[in-house]
Amino acid sequence: GAVVSQHPSRVICKSGTSVKIECRSLDFQATTMFWYRQFPKQSLMLMATSNEGSKATYEQGVEKDKFLINHASLTLSTLTVTSAHPEDSSFYICSARVPSGGAVISHEQFFGPGTRLTVL
Amino acid sequence: AQSVTQPDIHITVSEGASLELRCNYSYGATPYLFWYVQSPGQGLQLLLKYFSGDTLVQGIKGFEAEFKRSQSSFNLRKPSVHWSDAAEYFCAVGARYGNKLVFGAGTILRVKS
Repeated sequence: GAVVSQHPSRVICKSGTSVKIECRSLDFQATTMFWYRQFPKQSLMLMATSNEGSKATYEQGVEKDKFLINHASLTLSTLTVTSAHPEDSSFYICSARVPSGGAVISHEQFFGPGTRLTVL
Repeated sequence: AQSVTQPDIHITVSEGASLELRCNYSYGATPYLFWYVQSPGQGLQLLLKYFSGDTLVQGIKGFEAEFKRSQSSFNLRKPSVHWSDAAEYFCAVGARYGNKLVFGAGTILRVKS
């Protein structure tokens, strides 16, 4: 099946610094990637949809200036948490949608292993 | 807008016993439905999906799920649970002409020996 990787798997940073998380589709090209945030013992909350070559679409309540998303190629999307604060500590998961032919959008998403961010 | 309800936060079953995890969805048209499994500190792995056709779908690791339109349900089942099945399970729904998946709150499965 399709493989999605994330790097780093965990990161600890000081408050006020910025952290970049990479999401790569390893064996397929993904025109659309998704970024989720998961708090402990909670479900995944979609933060934004990342489209190759265009601006990301952010969900309501997500600060686009704080969570910068760049999808510069068909295999790489990055999420940068700017001026991180302790409340940004969370598990960030990306997914990539496998392209489908025809008019119907394939909703099958393949998920990365996640990145644990801890802001001190 | 779509929504997903997983009524059971925790379920404990004995190894070898059967399992059913409940999922109810709310969506006005035919949904796309998914079950994912997440081990601690890991990403999500797709167990199975329903797009159309046969309402009983088979997945990996011996799991199956049945789409019941009249009940707006997509329950996950396994006839005999193994200790390695202990994990958190998420049901998700997507719209045919939409772009996003909406996840339920998850059900944590514990397996006792």
